[in-house]
Amino acid sequence: EAQVTQNPRYLITVTGKKLTVTCSQNMNHEYMSWYRQDPGLGLRQIYYSMNVEVTDKGDVPEGYKVSRKEKRNFPLILESPSPNQTSLYFCASSYLVQGDNEQFFGPGTRLTVL
Amino acid sequence: GENVEQHPSTLSVQEGDSAVIKCTYSDSASNYFPWYKQELGKGPQLIIDIRSNVGEKKDQRIAVTLNKTAKHFSLHITETQPEDSAVYFCAAVNQAGTALIFGKGTTLSVSS
Repeated sequence: EAQVTQNPRYLITVTGKKLTVTCSQNMNHEYMSWYRQDPGLGLRQIYYSMNVEVTDKGDVPEGYKVSRKEKRNFPLILESPSPNQTSLYFCASSYLVQGDNEQFFGPGTRLTVL
Repeated sequence: GENVEQHPSTLSVQEGDSAVIKCTYSDSASNYFPWYKQELGKGPQLIIDIRSNVGEKKDQRIAVTLNKTAKHFSLHITETQPEDSAVYFCAAVNQAGTALIFGKGTTLSVSS
């Protein structure tokens, strides 16, 4: 089944404790992206990647890192999480490197930073 | 950069009625406008999209219209059903083509 998977689905952590949210897609997509979703703010892009070893900042990159060592994986790293990073996170992928085509979203990771 | 405004933020209709959600965008260079549906506990899923060379697109009970001059586009759902209840997001691709800029979402409730 073609899908985007994220792990973990739920995470409660404390300020400053490094964490990684994994994202994997099995559709051989070139483009991958991370979004955060907050009430009243919609979805905002954190980072995106157009191919292996090619990543760039989105609209809200502060406090986050990403890597794209393999085509299928695009982990999101929070080196020192803070409470303002409490949010619902979505990974997405699409076939083309341009943004003007369907993006497939993962099921989401709900992160709480205490 | 691109900015997308979406209205209304909540919409309640009776089963069988029509629902309309409207979005405006700021960047006249945008050429791709998708609509996503997000059900509770799930990620957004594309339901319909339109490109700038088309004024209207229809898929069964769902239609999208685009007015490039006025820079707005709308989602129309006819004969609504309870399973249409969800959060709907409009989006526009940014000028660089690297990201979708989303509206803030509309929570649609269809009561039977």
